[in-house]
Order: sequence, then C-alpha cells, then structure tokens
Amino acid sequence: GAVVSQHPSRVICKSGTSVKIECRSLDFQATTMFWYRQFPKKSLMLMATSNEGSKATYEQGVEKDKFLINHASLTLSTLTVTSAHPEDSSFYICSALRTGNGSPLHFGNGTRLTVT
Amino acid sequence: DAKTTQPPSMDCAEGRAANLPCNHSTISGNEYVYWYRQIHSQGPQYIIHGLKNNETNEMASLIITEDRKSSTLILPHATLRDTAVYYCIVRVRDTGTASKLTFGTGTRLQVTL
Repeated sequence: GAVVSQHPSRVICKSGTSVKIECRSLDFQATTMFWYRQFPKKSLMLMATSNEGSKATYEQGVEKDKFLINHASLTLSTLTVTSAHPEDSSFYICSALRTGNGSPLHFGNGTRLTVT
Repeated sequence: DAKTTQPPSMDCAEGRAANLPCNHSTISGNEYVYWYRQIHSQGPQYIIHGLKNNETNEMASLIITEDRKSSTLILPHATLRDTAVYYCIVRVRDTGTASKLTFGTGTRLQVTL
C-alpha cells in the first residue's frame, strides 16, 4: 500500500531557531500534499495545501512566513517552522494524494515538535 | 464538505463487533464517506470509504443507509489494538487540492478485555 514517510518523528529545539520537517511519498508520486497540526486531545487542523512546483495555499489564520512550505518534487514536501516559539509546540502531520489515482489520502506518522 | 456527527466515545469488549455510527445528513450526491482512525501519537490510518453501496475490506465493513444520511463502520472482531479515535469524513473524491480532509472530533473507541 501507499506509504508516506515523515522525518523527524520527534524534535526538540530552542526558541528562535528554525526546524524543518520532511514528508516523502515512498512508492507513489504526489502532486498535492497537506500539512496538519494537532494539539493534545484535539482533532487535526489543516494548515496548508502543498502543490508541487507552485506556492502553497494556507488556511485562514496560518502565517505563511512562519510556516514555510516547499514542494520541489513529486515525492517530497517540507515544512519549516521559522523562529519557533513554545506555542508552536505541537504534533505536525503530513498527508499525500497519489497523482491520477482514486486512492484516498495517506498520512505520515507525524512529528512531535517541542520548543523550549 | 458536509458536516458529520459522531458520538464522542464508545466502549467495546474484545472479540465483539464494534459498530461506530456517523450522521452526515447534508451529504451531497458526489460526496464519499471516508473513515480514518488515529492511534495515540500516530498519523491517521485510512480504513475504508464508500459512496452508496456497502463496502468491506480486510479491516472493516462500511454500511451506508439508502438515503446516505448516515453510515456505520463495523469492526467485526475488535482487539485491544483497535483502541483509537475514529473519524468519519465526507468529501468529494479526488479533486486535487480540494481533496483535503476536514477532521471533526471523532469517536474515541476503547476496547476492553
């Protein structure tokens, strides 16, 4: 089945630093990938839609300059949390849509970000 | 995307069938019903989806009412590993960027010995 790999699974960083999270589709090409954020005991909230070769589309209330998204190839999208603050600590999850196929979205296993 | 309503929590004894309901009374004719589950600290896992016919795969069965306003996910023989939050989502299938999933609060299924 379709596999989406997310790296790292867990990261701790200091306030003011930037953190990059990678999302890879391992056995299929993904024109579109989605980034979600999840706070403890809450549901997933869509942050942005990542499109290969074009600018990402951000949901209302999500700062595009703080959460930089790059989707440079059909198998890789990255999310960079810039100038991280403790309130950015969360569980970040990506998902990928297989190009030209009727299969559903598949999700990575998430990245636990802790900003100290 | 149509809104869904699920009970916040359910319990099920191990080995018994778990029946998880979902109401989607405003579903449109071109919207599918998708089910995902999320085990603690993991990404959501796809389970099954359907349009109007009942569906079955190796994980579960999906029963959709004739008017499509509700559905039930059935785990035929629940195990402790099925303890998770189950999300019912309706959306138009495979329309590129519109394929984003909007998650509700889901049903927290607790499977017990």
